[in-house]
Amino acid sequence: EAQVTQNPRYLITVTGKKLTVTCSQNMNHEYMSWYRQDPGLGLRQIYYSMNVEVTDKGDVPEGYKVSRKEKRNFPLILESPSPNQTSLYFCASSNRTGNVLTFGAGSRLTVL
Amino acid sequence: QQQVKQSPQSLIVQKGGISIINCAYENTAFDYFPWYQQFPGKGPALLIAIRPDVSEKKEGRFTISFNKSAKQFSLHIMDSQPGDSATYFCAASHGLLYGGSQGNLIFGKGTKLSVKP
Repeated sequence: EAQVTQNPRYLITVTGKKLTVTCSQNMNHEYMSWYRQDPGLGLRQIYYSMNVEVTDKGDVPEGYKVSRKEKRNFPLILESPSPNQTSLYFCASSNRTGNVLTFGAGSRLTVL
Repeated sequence: QQQVKQSPQSLIVQKGGISIINCAYENTAFDYFPWYQQFPGKGPALLIAIRPDVSEKKEGRFTISFNKSAKQFSLHIMDSQPGDSATYFCAASHGLLYGGSQGNLIFGKGTKLSVKP
């Protein structure tokens, strides 16, 4: 089954404790992206990657890092999480045209 | 700066009624306008999309109406059903990702639709 898999689905952590949210896709997609979803703010792009070793900032990149060492994986790294990063995070991927996004099921992160 | 404005924020419709969600954009370079549907606990999924060379696209009970001169597009859900209850996002992008243009999808803030039985 074609899918985008995120882990963990739920996480409660404390301020400053580094964490990584993994994202993997099995569709051989070049493009991958991370979004955060907050009430009243919709989907905001954090980082995106057009291919291996090619990443760029989205609209809200502060406090996040990403890497794209392999085509299928695009982890989101929070080096020092803060409470304002409490959110629902989505990873998405698409083929070369970049317009039809396949989203993962989401990762709900709470930073205390 | 929000480039895609979506309204209303929430919508309650009776079963069998018509649901209408509106979006307006600013960037005239946008040339692809999709709608995504998100059920609780799930990621958004593409519902229907349109390009500006047509004014309307219909897929089953879902129709996109597009007004290029007004820079507006809307989603109409005919004969709305309780199973349509979800959050709907409009989006827009320009060009392809490859070839020098940004091409990233810009999302509206979403509309939570509730269809009452």
